[in-house]
Amino acid sequence: GAVVSQHPSRVICKSGTSVKIECRSLDFQATTMFWYRQFPKKSLMLMATSNEGSKATYEQGVEKDKFLINHASLTLSTLTVTSAHPEDSSFYICSARDPGLDGNTIYFGEGSWLTVV
Amino acid sequence: GQNIDQPTEMTATEGAIVQINCTYQTSGFNGLFWYQQHAGEAPTFLSYNVLDGLEEKGRFSSFLSRSKGYSYLLLKELQMKDSASYLCAVVDSNYQLIWGAGTKLIIKP
Repeated sequence: GAVVSQHPSRVICKSGTSVKIECRSLDFQATTMFWYRQFPKKSLMLMATSNEGSKATYEQGVEKDKFLINHASLTLSTLTVTSAHPEDSSFYICSARDPGLDGNTIYFGEGSWLTVV
Repeated sequence: GQNIDQPTEMTATEGAIVQINCTYQTSGFNGLFWYQQHAGEAPTFLSYNVLDGLEEKGRFSSFLSRSKGYSYLLLKELQMKDSASYLCAVVDSNYQLIWGAGTKLIIKP
């Protein structure tokens, strides 16, 4: 079964509103989680790295004030898309690093489809 | 339940051809992705199949049979840099992405 779970799996929101996506590690404590955006027929684009208890590290070109990331606990990171616009419609995927074993195993969530109308 | 199966590890020789299979049982189907991932890096998109058949892109090709719940990724003229994990992922009827565990491909000289 899934070891990283995202919620909601699909969400439709109106322009100008905010929407929150949750990413949970189910079987391990993840000190580091990653947020990606999937553009059609393109690679996953890393948006930010979320570290528990500290501010997220954003990739170049990603608006920090628009994509708010909070990693409040070792099993939960949230991505809030603020003042959403239709161009924010996309597939958002999170992943979490399992510090156990070799510390290099990353598990992906099921993704969240966001449609802004 | 939903399930994606792909081999855990494969070994091939530089210059050869390798086929990585992926079988899936999911509630509905809205497409299948193949990604390449080098250790410590974000996955790189390779292909997206939603209709049956073969799609070719240079050295990489991807095949889909929806009736059989089966896909494969074909890599030709293997290069050492092709050593990586290859992830198969299916979008189900709820638009959830179901990930395979990945196939670690080892290329030997």
